[in-house]
Amino acid sequence: DQQVKQNSPSLSVQEGRISILNCDYTNSMFDYFLWYKKYPAEGPTFLISISSIKDKNEDGRFTVFLNKSAKHLSLHIVPSQPGDSAVYFCAASARRTGNQFYFGTGTSLTVIP
Amino acid sequence: SQTIHQWPATLVQPVGSPLSLECTVEGTSNPNLYWYRQAAGRGLQLLFYSVGIGQISSEVPQNLSASRPQDRQFILSSKKLLLSDSGFYLCAWSVGGNSPLHFGNGTRLTVT
Repeated sequence: DQQVKQNSPSLSVQEGRISILNCDYTNSMFDYFLWYKKYPAEGPTFLISISSIKDKNEDGRFTVFLNKSAKHLSLHIVPSQPGDSAVYFCAASARRTGNQFYFGTGTSLTVIP
Repeated sequence: SQTIHQWPATLVQPVGSPLSLECTVEGTSNPNLYWYRQAAGRGLQLLFYSVGIGQISSEVPQNLSASRPQDRQFILSSKKLLLSDSGFYLCAWSVGGNSPLHFGNGTRLTVT
């Protein structure tokens, strides 16, 4: 059973505009959430994370929002750049019950120059 | 600084042959170690994780096994590969708590 879901396989955005990537989870025990960026034939690179005690975390052009009641998180990239084109994965962990990290299926972002 | 090494980068193996993928982490002690697999067009599936030497937890029953003979070494093995074992295998580490996973560059395994 997929505990972390990314329902949009792909997203295209014009350069300079906002990219919004969405992620849903089902396990209410998850308390730590992360976003990763992945290029083909490479390992994922950590972008940004958020603890369940917060609802927003910002790092430069990247902001992650967490809505615990809806079990939903999103990644905002503003402004989007062509170099942001990659596959983005969200991940979640329940630190109190284990050390596992569960990933979504990814969203392929294309930023059009 | 911490680094993770994973090898080989690519591997082509016939069905029924054995497998051994190795991962080592430098610059940290007692890391949590992980093996993930990304099948074609799919997400990252957690296969095994380890919180210490000789401690292995399996997430998905399958044709693979993992071992941690040393603190910073994690090995993924199979006695007989299946076609369905093809995929992109990723090793990762974390120090636990509010700490992210850090991935190696992966191994592309093709079983023919």
